[in-house]
Amino acid sequence: DTAVSQTPKYLVTQMGNDKSIKCEQNLGHDTMYWYKQDSKKFLKIMFSYNNKELIINETVPNRFSPKSPDKAHLNLHINSLELGDSAVYFCASSRDLSGGAYEQFFGPGTRLTVL
Amino acid sequence: TQLLEQSPQFLSIQEGENLTVYCNSSSVFSSLQWYRQEPGEGPVLLVTVVTGGEVKKLKRLTFQFGDARKDSSLHITAAQPGDTGLYLCAADNNAGNMLTFGGGTRLMVKP
Repeated sequence: DTAVSQTPKYLVTQMGNDKSIKCEQNLGHDTMYWYKQDSKKFLKIMFSYNNKELIINETVPNRFSPKSPDKAHLNLHINSLELGDSAVYFCASSRDLSGGAYEQFFGPGTRLTVL
Repeated sequence: TQLLEQSPQFLSIQEGENLTVYCNSSSVFSSLQWYRQEPGEGPVLLVTVVTGGEVKKLKRLTFQFGDARKDSSLHITAAQPGDTGLYLCAADNNAGNMLTFGGGTRLMVKP
């Protein structure tokens, strides 16, 4: 059974389009995250979210928005895609919103390519 | 500037050699984690260190947390090709609600 799953695995799209990436976790965790990993493999937090609060990394453009229909899902919507948005996006979950106190379980990633 | 600086960025060694990867910061952390990421997959937690000076062993991997809780090291003994991957250290941001990752060390172990 996959703990954290993401769809699609690959996403190729044109500049200016709007796209979504879905994430689901079956671990019963309260907190989910979105990360962006650039071509140099630098992994950067974008959002932390649980049923109490959304924490946004201040460097994330407001074209990016997380949407959580329920505790097991955290989808990432991106509007007006730009070339610089090309990266691998990882969803993750953990038991609680405490940063490094708990293990984070990562999904397999979604490779987004903006042409 | 990154909160966590990892060195070296790249490391290519022969099977059987030993190596050490470093994770340094000017900040004090309540805990620090090490993850390994293989190509096409997400990072997987290896260990969490909490106490200053703590040493944890995971088979041939030895993790140490600095006495001042500002730095950590990962030592691999007799590296094997299966150890190949991206090693990432991670720690809380100052607010304690997000995980900040170091730049990573890409390790390749040649047979």
